Amino acid sequence: DTEVTQTPKHLVMGMTNKKSLKCEQHMGHRAMYWYKQKAKKPPELMFVYSYEKLSINESVPSRFSPECPNSSLLNLHLHALQPEDSALYLCASSPGGIATNEKLFFGSGTQLSVL
Amino acid sequence: AQKVTQAQTEISVVEKEDVTLDCVYETRDTTYYLFWYKQPPSGELVFLIRRNSFDEQNEISGRYSWNFQKSTSSFNFTITASQVVDSAVYFCALSGFTGGGNKLTFGTGTQLKVEL
Repeated sequence: DTEVTQTPKHLVMGMTNKKSLKCEQHMGHRAMYWYKQKAKKPPELMFVYSYEKLSINESVPSRFSPECPNSSLLNLHLHALQPEDSALYLCASSPGGIATNEKLFFGSGTQLSVL
Repeated sequence: AQKVTQAQTEISVVEKEDVTLDCVYETRDTTYYLFWYKQPPSGELVFLIRRNSFDEQNEISGRYSWNFQKSTSSFNFTITASQVVDSAVYFCALSGFTGGGNKLTFGTGTQLKVEL
């Protein structure tokens, strides 16, 4: 299994809702990432977990809350989002820890719309 | 600070034409890695190549080739005999060890459209 699987593929939520994005990989990778990508822009790093510990938080607002329950699973909990948070949220993984500069394996993303 | 510049926002070619995507980077790290990723309309970024700063050999993989020149801080990507399936956004990216490693700095991307 060489895939990173993200669910749901599409999500529409109101500003008062609470929702979660899920990411799963079964390649034994030890680093997992959340990226945010606005239309026609490059991906922007949000969070990195290395060996199930949060290693990088790129000053992301607290309405985004990451969670890594185990080495295969990464969640992004969403609460009280703003319309400007509408974007494609990409999950990625890499075999080693964060300092290895290895290639990333990306999921196909969750397209989020905040109304 | 790291920076990646992809000056070409959009390129349109006719199938079977060769096309080169430009990438220029800036970094203070002496050891760093350069990447190219492809993002088709389906959304996921697909890894194409990784190069480290000590390896300036050009590389060819099928219809793809990469030209890494440290002297000009460039890492250009050429597709030979382009095909409609090559239509995608292509991102050049840089990763160094400043700030803990594996924090990719992406360029703004080049949208490649290959038409029949």
